[in-house]
Amino acid sequence: GNSVTQMEGPVTLSEEAFLTINCTYTATGYPSLFWYVQYPGEGLQLLLKATKADDKGSNKGFEATYRKETTSFHLEKGSVQVSDSAVYFCALSRWSSASKIIFGSGTRLSIRP
Amino acid sequence: EAQVTQNPRYLITVTGKKLTVTCSQNMNHEYMSWYRQDPGLGLRQIYYSMNVEVTDKGDVPEGYKVSRKEKRNFPLILESPSPNQTSLYFCASRTGGGPQETQYFGPGTRLLVL
Repeated sequence: GNSVTQMEGPVTLSEEAFLTINCTYTATGYPSLFWYVQYPGEGLQLLLKATKADDKGSNKGFEATYRKETTSFHLEKGSVQVSDSAVYFCALSRWSSASKIIFGSGTRLSIRP
Repeated sequence: EAQVTQNPRYLITVTGKKLTVTCSQNMNHEYMSWYRQDPGLGLRQIYYSMNVEVTDKGDVPEGYKVSRKEKRNFPLILESPSPNQTSLYFCASRTGGGPQETQYFGPGTRLLVL
């Protein structure tokens, strides 16, 4: 079946550090891939997405590349800020009767000043 | 402002007392769904709706009901809540364009069933 696996947290970094959150997926066909972010006390919001192989999604300094050969969609940012502290969810969606989003378990990120 | 709203945001109830969580979107989206978020499990889909009067079960539908009488509203009904339904619930909507479309999430409803 379809699934998403992402690195467990929590991840704690110092401000201006480099961030990588690993995400791999299992899916038939060609899913669309997403990173959603959940700030404390809020709902999820889309951070970035990629809809086909080799696409790179980017937003707010974050980026992720759709790698079909390794079935991965790792999230990276060159220099994190305290305001990036949140829970990050990797997710996929593909054509089916449900067209639902399948989420990973989430990675909590904390940035120290 | 484009948004998905949910009410209530917080709810404490007792086992067996029927409750409804409302969800409304102002973006004229065809597709709406409900998720629950539990620690270590991410979000799991409860029910979804492709359009008015069209609903279907997601991955964890037991103990829940939904209805879609109007395009903008998609209430979640717990006929007889139990403690294992204590969770954080999110409503979401998107256009009918397909799985590449962005889903917009409500702010969440935190439910505690005693």
